[in-house]
Amino acid sequence: QKEVEQNSGPLSVPEGAIASLNCTYSDRGSQSFFWYRQYSGKSPELIMSIYSNGDKEDGRFTAQLNKASQYVSLLIRDSQPSDSATYLCAVTGNQFYFGTGTSLTVIP
Amino acid sequence: ETGVTQTPRHLVMGMTNKKSLKCEQHLGHNAMYWYKQSAKKPLELMFVYNFKEQTENNSVPSRFSPECPNSSHLFLHLHTLQPEDSALYLCASSQDPRGTNTGELFFGEGSRLTVL
Repeated sequence: QKEVEQNSGPLSVPEGAIASLNCTYSDRGSQSFFWYRQYSGKSPELIMSIYSNGDKEDGRFTAQLNKASQYVSLLIRDSQPSDSATYLCAVTGNQFYFGTGTSLTVIP
Repeated sequence: ETGVTQTPRHLVMGMTNKKSLKCEQHLGHNAMYWYKQSAKKPLELMFVYNFKEQTENNSVPSRFSPECPNSSHLFLHLHTLQPEDSALYLCASSQDPRGTNTGELFFGEGSRLTVL
């Protein structure tokens, strides 16, 4: 069983729509949860971190965490073409575990 | 600019060559990492150094040899690599006072390695 699972996509949404990215994890003891964005040919950059159940909002981004369901998601409101990238979910137990990433394309 | 600098950005080497990847962080972090990123696979943790001491070695073949002379610099020495070692090698750093290697990671731009 993979530590962190993401739908690889590709996910396509029209400009201005809400993009919803999902991630499940296997270790119930996981403490910290992150979303990284990776543009093609570039390195991952941290866009959101969440540590407790519920929602955390930062601009157009909202991270949602449900530890009981072992589920973390990222919502991107008013999607822009510049949001087109691969989004990596990362979960920490005794080390970082990354998912394979979801490829998002925002269509103008 | 993340504060983590990697060189070279691109490297092509033969299977008998010896080369090194370099990473430098300007963030004052105490932990540094090497990750391997291959197509369609999750990021693979290779090595972790915390306060210059190696704390993780995820069953990495001995043809990869890390070196951490101080908290700001990290090297990955490469020797007799195989074509399947071709990948993007990412260096990262974090501030990790508890020594759990779970602080937020800041990545360098990566070194794209091709083994012929």
